[in-house]
Amino acid sequence: NAGVTQTPKFRILKIGQSMTLQCTQDMNHNYMYWYRQDPGMGLKLIYYSVGAGITDKGEVPNGYNVSRSTTEDFPLRLELAAPSQTSVYFCASSYLRQTAGAYEQYFGPGTRLTVT
Amino acid sequence: EDQVTQSPEALRLQEGESSSLNCSYTVSGLRGLFWYRQDPGKGPEFLFTLYSAGEEKEKERLKATLTKKESFLHITAPKPEDSATYLCAVHGPSNTGKLIFGQGTTLQVKP
Repeated sequence: NAGVTQTPKFRILKIGQSMTLQCTQDMNHNYMYWYRQDPGMGLKLIYYSVGAGITDKGEVPNGYNVSRSTTEDFPLRLELAAPSQTSVYFCASSYLRQTAGAYEQYFGPGTRLTVT
Repeated sequence: EDQVTQSPEALRLQEGESSSLNCSYTVSGLRGLFWYRQDPGKGPEFLFTLYSAGEEKEKERLKATLTKKESFLHITAPKPEDSATYLCAVHGPSNTGKLIFGQGTTLQVKP
């Protein structure tokens, strides 16, 4: 299993450009998440999905969009990039551990995005 | 409001000098508390899940414990390769699997 993979690893965007961050998992997890991590600020949830065709906003969704057409893929779209979107983006997936009712999330390696 | 606070923000230890990292939380209906390790430039790596007060988990030099208000990550005789940022997260009562993360503790172990 490759786990959670993300592409690209690095990207520089100009203000106003758009791009899609790709995320794929091969663990057959229903739940997937997008976070951003800024220095000293911890992980902030952008969007999440509890299954194909179902997405919902997290803590910081403005400026982003997502789709979930398959179980494996959960792309994050940035429209009209702004300097405030300079960050490291992590995708994660999880499953429900039935016996305990809690979810363990597994993370990808991240995409480092700079908007100038 | 659900919240997770980690302390200290940074910790420097000499190799072999044991210590503990703290994770205080407030959440209604805790379903699980998670510890992750994050190396520079990498994604968080799952370490432990704790489900109820009194539970303990161990892995090599790391031991995680849980009470009703906080969790500790004890590091016994650390080595330089234990240097990393350690993240704590809690899962509340929702069925969405959403986690609330603390800010992390950055540990540096000097030889």
